[in-house]
Amino acid sequence: GESVGLHLPTLSVQEGDNSIINCAYSNSASDYFIWYKQESGKGPQFIIDIRSNMDKRQGQRVTVLLNKTVKHLSLQIAATQPGDSAVYFCAENGGDYKLSFGAGTTVTVRA
Amino acid sequence: GAGVSQSPSNKVTEKGKDVELRCDPISGHTALYWYRQSLGQGLEFLIYFQGNSAPDKSGLPSDRFSAERTGGSVSTLTIQRTQQEDSAVYLCASSSGPNAFFGQGTRLTVV
Repeated sequence: GESVGLHLPTLSVQEGDNSIINCAYSNSASDYFIWYKQESGKGPQFIIDIRSNMDKRQGQRVTVLLNKTVKHLSLQIAATQPGDSAVYFCAENGGDYKLSFGAGTTVTVRA
Repeated sequence: GAGVSQSPSNKVTEKGKDVELRCDPISGHTALYWYRQSLGQGLEFLIYFQGNSAPDKSGLPSDRFSAERTGGSVSTLTIQRTQQEDSAVYLCASSSGPNAFFGQGTRLTVV
C-alpha cells in the first residue's frame, strides 16, 4: 500500500549547524503535509505544514520544501539548538483527513 | 480544555485483563484519532472518528480492540484480554481541519 517514509532513521548535527530531514511519500493524491516534533515522553507537536499547491514554506528557523515531481518533502532547521533534539515525523493527508505518518528521524544535537 | 487530555498517563496491567484508555479532545474538534506507538517506532493508525459519520476502524489490529466516542466528544479505547504485544504508547489526537493536535499519550505496559 501507499505510505509515507523517511530516508534516514537518525541524524547527528553540531549545535549551530543547519539540519535537513528528508521524507519520501508515495500517495500522489495527498494534498497536505505536516512536520511534527516529538520530544521524549510527549506527544507529537505541530511544527509546520505545507499544501500541495506550494513548494516552500518558512516558519521560525524552519523551512519545509515540497517536490511533487519526485514526491519528496524536507524540513530544514536553521542554527540547530540542543532543544531541537527530538524525533521528527512527516505526515501526509490524502484528503480524507486521516494522517499517515512515517517512521521518524531521531535528531541529536551535539554541543 | 487547552489541549487534548489523556488518562491515565501510565497503566500497568496483567496479561489477560481488559483496559480502558480515555481521551478528552479539544472542545469543538469534530475529528478524533487514536494511534499506537511502539518503542522507537512511528505512529500506527488505529481508528478515526469524524462528526456523526461511521468511524474508520481499518487500523484496529484485532477484535480485542474497540473504541467509542460519546456525544461527539470524549473517546474511550478498550483493549480486551491484553497481550504483551499490546504494550505501547497510545496517542489520541483531535482536529477541526487537516492538522491534528496530540495528547501526551497513555503508556500501557502488559506484564
